[in-house]
Amino acid sequence: AQSVTQPDIHITVSEGASLELRCNYSYGATPYLFWYVQSPGQGLQLLLKYFSGDTLVQGIKGFEAEFKRSQSSFNLRKPSVHWSDAAEYFCAVGPFNDYKLSFGAGTTVTVRA
Amino acid sequence: DAGVIQSPRHEVTEMGQEVTLRCKPISGHNSLFWYRQTMMRGLELLIYFNNNVPIDDSGMPEDRFSAKMPNASFSTLKIQPSEPRDSAVYFCASSRDGANVLTFGAGSRLTVL
Repeated sequence: AQSVTQPDIHITVSEGASLELRCNYSYGATPYLFWYVQSPGQGLQLLLKYFSGDTLVQGIKGFEAEFKRSQSSFNLRKPSVHWSDAAEYFCAVGPFNDYKLSFGAGTTVTVRA
Repeated sequence: DAGVIQSPRHEVTEMGQEVTLRCKPISGHNSLFWYRQTMMRGLELLIYFNNNVPIDDSGMPEDRFSAKMPNASFSTLKIQPSEPRDSAVYFCASSRDGANVLTFGAGSRLTVL
């Protein structure tokens, strides 16, 4: 069975500070990994995805994520957060090119001035 | 492209009433998904259509829930009769060929009193 754990329910960061969101997954084969962001009142937007190749993946809005197979992790990072990054972030895992995605419970990010 | 369009954005109804949520997927996407988001259970896949055919409805909670996709540009999710525990945000998403790179709509927030 596949599953995703996001250990942090809520993170508060200062504007301009760095941000790292943790994601651990459980999956029996090569995982297809995603990070989505949900701004208040909006649907989920894809930030980045990883299946193979370079384990450091660049996404939109200045985000990046690193796949570490040995740690079953796919952590999301941003060097300097902006107030507009306040949102809920979801990690997801699934088989490549298959509809069966499992989402984590999400991490809410608050950005303080 | 206008993205995935959902209506209504907000619905407040009384227990026992019928609720119909609507979705227009992105043109050219032949896969459509209905998800439900609650605080307790996170994001759950309710049903998945491919080429207008329901492929996986194992996530539909019970017989009170039904979904249809009469053509490639329209889908409905119906709850009859509605109950307070159905209160949630319902998302529609679409993709190409069942791939799990999803584009989500803004969601329909349902409150059942």
